[in-house]
Amino acid sequence: NAGVTQTPKFQVLKTGQSMTLQCAQDMNHNSMYWYRQDPGMGLRLIYYSASEGTTDKGEVPNGYNVSRLNKREFSLRLESAAPSQTSVYFCASSEMAGASGYTFGSGTRLTVV
Amino acid sequence: GIQVEQSPPDLILQEGANSTLRCNFSDSVNNLQWFHQNPWGQLINLFYIPSGTKQNGRLSATTVATERYSLLYISSSQTTDSGVYFCAVGPPGTYKYIFGTGTRLKVLA
Repeated sequence: NAGVTQTPKFQVLKTGQSMTLQCAQDMNHNSMYWYRQDPGMGLRLIYYSASEGTTDKGEVPNGYNVSRLNKREFSLRLESAAPSQTSVYFCASSEMAGASGYTFGSGTRLTVV
Repeated sequence: GIQVEQSPPDLILQEGANSTLRCNFSDSVNNLQWFHQNPWGQLINLFYIPSGTKQNGRLSATTVATERYSLLYISSSQTTDSGVYFCAVGPPGTYKYIFGTGTRLKVLA
C-alpha cells in the first residue's frame, strides 16, 4: 500500500546509545516531518524538510539530527539517547509544506532506560 | 506563541449519536487540519481545511478563520469513531503546525 513507512516499530535503548529512525514515503511528496508524541501533550514538531535538500528545526530539536537522504527518505538520529527522549515518534509527509494534508507513518515507540 | 484549545477534552456517546468537536486558536492561521488517532495509535488525516466547509461521509468540518475556530461534526457515530481527535494549526509564515491536546471520544455500542 502507498504511504509512509517507519522502522523500527519498537526500540529500547540504554542512556547514551545512538540510533537512527528511518522514514520513507512513496507518494512523491515534497515535504517530510518528524514529530514526537508524549502523554497529554499532543504532537510536537522536531524537524521538518520542506523540500528535498532542505531541513529546518521545529519546536523541540535539541538532541536530534535529521537527514533528507533523497525525496523519499527522511531519517531522525539520536546521537546520545536520554530518558527524556522516551516517546512515540511519528514521521509524516505532505505534497506541499504547510499547505496540504499530512500522511502519517505508524510510529516508533522508543524507550530509553 | 499561538495557543490551540480543543473542547470537550473527553466525550462519551452512544452509537448513533451526533457530536461537535471544537478547536479554538489564539491567533491568525493559514492552515488547519483535523486528525483521528485510533486506539492502536494510527494517525489519520480527516480534513485539510484552512477555511470553509468540507464533508466526507459522516464527517464534516467548518473553519471560520476570521473568528479563530474550527468545528468537526460527527454524525451517526460508530464504535470505530472512538479515539482521539486532534486539531493542528499552521500560523502565517511558517510550515510548523501546532497541535491541540485533543478530544478523546468513546462511542459505546
